Amino acid sequence: GAGVSQSPSNKVTEKGKDVELRCDPISGHTALYWYRQSLGQGLEFLIYFQGNSAPDKSGLPSDRFSAERTGGSVSTLTIQRTQQEDSAVYLCASSEGFNQPQHFGDGTRLSIL
Amino acid sequence: SQQGEEDPQALSIQEGENATMNCSYKTSINNLQWYRQNSGRGLVHLILIRSNEREKHSGRLRVTLDTSKKSSSLLITASRAADTASYFCATDARGSNYKLTFGKGTLLTVNP
Repeated sequence: GAGVSQSPSNKVTEKGKDVELRCDPISGHTALYWYRQSLGQGLEFLIYFQGNSAPDKSGLPSDRFSAERTGGSVSTLTIQRTQQEDSAVYLCASSEGFNQPQHFGDGTRLSIL
Repeated sequence: SQQGEEDPQALSIQEGENATMNCSYKTSINNLQWYRQNSGRGLVHLILIRSNEREKHSGRLRVTLDTSKKSSSLLITASRAADTASYFCATDARGSNYKLTFGKGTLLTVNP
């Protein structure tokens, strides 16, 4: 079956612009996660959605970052007024519920010039 | 904050040899997971071991968990060139059933 799909796969933009990253989770997965991975580093948790519950936004690094999940499925991560330090790979994952293995997309590589 | 830390940072072996990677963490956990990441790709879940388990097998993978030492090991037997990847452990803190904390990973290179 289809896995987690992320788009775009690569995004290059100028400092100060806004960007939107999209994640299509595996159908039926109630949990969705966003992570950020900088070069040679592990994953940094950003935000978590579980069903209709309020999302856990505790990992978002600043108020320039926001995320939505519409209809319990597709999610978008928005970064406003991008800065060079936002350059990283943004990974999305979904799972059948909490405490279950997470299935990852291939990520969006974001480069801020 | 709790963090899984892998050791070594990099490991280079010959095809057919076994590879052992270690992970240490700081606080009590519900479970520990190992993931693999090929260059430029997302993470692939390998195995999940719960805090009340001590050992788990999956194909050529063997994972151990020692909660008294707050450590885990991943053993890959009879390695293949296709096993070349970064391997990450991720811990699920007790009281936080969804937030995984990842280490920086071990880069494994299997030479043909």
